[in-house]
Amino acid sequence: AQRVTQPEKLLSVFKGAPVELKCNYSYSGSPELFWYVQYSRQRLQLLLRHISRESIKGFTADLNKGETSFHLKKPFAQEEDSAMYYCASSRGTDKLIFGTGTRLQVFP
Amino acid sequence: KAGVTQTPRYLIKTRGQQVTLSCSPISGHRSVSWYQQTPGQGLQFLFEYFSETQRNKGNFPGRFSGRQFSNSRSEMNVSTLELGDSALYLCASSLAGADSYEQYFGPGTRLTVT
Repeated sequence: AQRVTQPEKLLSVFKGAPVELKCNYSYSGSPELFWYVQYSRQRLQLLLRHISRESIKGFTADLNKGETSFHLKKPFAQEEDSAMYYCASSRGTDKLIFGTGTRLQVFP
Repeated sequence: KAGVTQTPRYLIKTRGQQVTLSCSPISGHRSVSWYQQTPGQGLQFLFEYFSETQRNKGNFPGRFSGRQFSNSRSEMNVSTLELGDSALYLCASSLAGADSYEQYFGPGTRLTVT
């Protein structure tokens, strides 16, 4: 069965520190991977998807098929990055499966 | 484009009652998915409708059902409510084309069961 694992419930860093939010997936073939973010009192929204290979708000994520990982990284965290981050996976018209989320807290 | 809208935003029901939640997708989006969000379980997929047909289904009991209308609006129904059904119910719409599964989420309906 398709599964997305985010091992950390909470990640706390200081402003300016590097951030890495971990995500591992279990899906045969070539799934599509996403990172969604939910800021306080805002809607869940797409942050980035692996096929676009974009850097959004300084965040990047590389798909590592060998390790079945899609970790989210940012070299210098900002206070406004504090939010709930969800990794998600799908393939074709299959349902989008979310991980349990990681809360990122960035302290000043 | 107007975003995904959900009504009502807040709802309080008692155990045993039933409830219907509504979702209006972004214009042109034919896929509507429903999720249950709780602090302990995170986001759990309920079901997805595409062109008025249920295309995918999560692992929820039959008390949870849904439907989609010809204008792509969707409703979700929960019968015989239980305390554990208290959650934020999110609706998301997408174009659901072969190369796009980006979902746009609504603000959610917060259901409290007492």
